Amino acid sequence: AQKITQTQPGMFVQEKEAVTLDCTYDTSDQSYGLFWYKQPSSGEMIFLIYQGSYDEQNATEGRYSLNFQKARKSANLVISASQLGDSAMYFCAMRENLIGNQFYFGTGTSLTVIP
Amino acid sequence: SAVISQKPSRDICQRGTSLTIQCQVDSQVTMMFWYRQQPGQSLTLIATANQGSEATYESGFVIDKFPISRPNLTFSTLTVSNMSPEDSSIYLCSVSAGTDNQPQHFGDGTRLSIL
Repeated sequence: AQKITQTQPGMFVQEKEAVTLDCTYDTSDQSYGLFWYKQPSSGEMIFLIYQGSYDEQNATEGRYSLNFQKARKSANLVISASQLGDSAMYFCAMRENLIGNQFYFGTGTSLTVIP
Repeated sequence: SAVISQKPSRDICQRGTSLTIQCQVDSQVTMMFWYRQQPGQSLTLIATANQGSEATYESGFVIDKFPISRPNLTFSTLTVSNMSPEDSSIYLCSVSAGTDNQPQHFGDGTRLSIL
């Protein structure tokens, strides 16, 4: 089974609107971390936000928030007030803390912000 | 967070040749990772490079094709040997602080095209 599943290959959002990018994960570990990365067309991977499995509050970083639903094993990224510069690929990733530092990446979602 | 310099940023190579990619970190890190990202795909871990030991390769990747060096705690190289068009990808190095809530930080990537 896939460790990380991103079911939206492509998404469009109007500038200044909010958008949710879906991510579900599969693990039997109790301790794990969930991460979101942004990859612009230039290719670099930019870390956006982190959620720990024991964190009770949803993580927020500026316009990014993570909607963490542990029972559903989902960790959706919410981008508020979208900007043209948000157009990029977005990857969800997981680290299972008891196993080591290997990250598992999803297949990504391509987000296009429309002016 | 660590600053990672990766060189070259891009290259166009002839079939059958080899290219060495360098990854320099501005602080000492225990674990460094090398990923391949084929066009339109997610990241695939090639190997984990620990200083003072042989790199650990993932299934489908072999040392003869992707030799890795890790001479100290701030530097690593990945060589792509005997290249073919199928090796055309973005190659990324990353580092991890090794603690649960720390993300992997990535270099800007090397965009490699094989003619």
